[in-house]
Amino acid sequence: DIQMTQSPSSLSASVGDRVTITCQASQDISNYLSWYQHKPGKAPKLLIYDASNLETGVPSRFSGSGSGTDFSFTISSLQPEDIATYFCQQYDDLPLTFGGGTKVEIK
Amino acid sequence: QVQLVESGGGVVQPGRSLRLSCAASGLTFSNSGMHWVRQAPGKGLEWLAFISYDGSNDFYADSLKGRFTISRDNSKHTLYLQMSSLRPEDTAVYFCAGPSIAVAPYLLGYWGQGTLVTVS
Repeated sequence: DIQMTQSPSSLSASVGDRVTITCQASQDISNYLSWYQHKPGKAPKLLIYDASNLETGVPSRFSGSGSGTDFSFTISSLQPEDIATYFCQQYDDLPLTFGGGTKVEIK
Repeated sequence: QVQLVESGGGVVQPGRSLRLSCAASGLTFSNSGMHWVRQAPGKGLEWLAFISYDGSNDFYADSLKGRFTISRDNSKHTLYLQMSSLRPEDTAVYFCAGPSIAVAPYLLGYWGQGTLVTVS
């Protein structure tokens, strides 16, 4: 199975700050990496697919980069509505595997 | 607008069975491979199972050890997860999910809000 290591597990930042989360795969997954936003009681929301493609309707302050085994996700200017848990997922092969999640809070 | 609505969760005793359902609307369900994913309290997401668009193929997480069965009824636009020999560690919110891009069946573009299963 492909292991996904995500860091940090939580972070606290001020409104307007730049926030970066990283995800490392245990083997080469090309660009088959997605990022999701998950708020309590809601359905997870796809933000980024193919490592760097922004899903339709997602604000441009969200971005992703990387390929192979090392990936990153950035919120360029943190907004109050961005408070959520973010997680990465590889879809190169089954079993699908997820990063442990990053809980983002406002300082 | 795509909607995935899970149902069937609740409190169940250890060793018993439960069937979850996921009603889909707004997507071409009969052309979409579908997944079940769960999240135990305070834990990360765990992929459980995948079924192909026509139900001819299914795949499971090794950890399930054959206790869960994924199925679908395309005429009813509904996905199922039959869970048996339930254990306390199966306590979790169970999500159904499907692809938003037809050529990427493993990309989980659509998710339901989840249904809580408590084994106690």
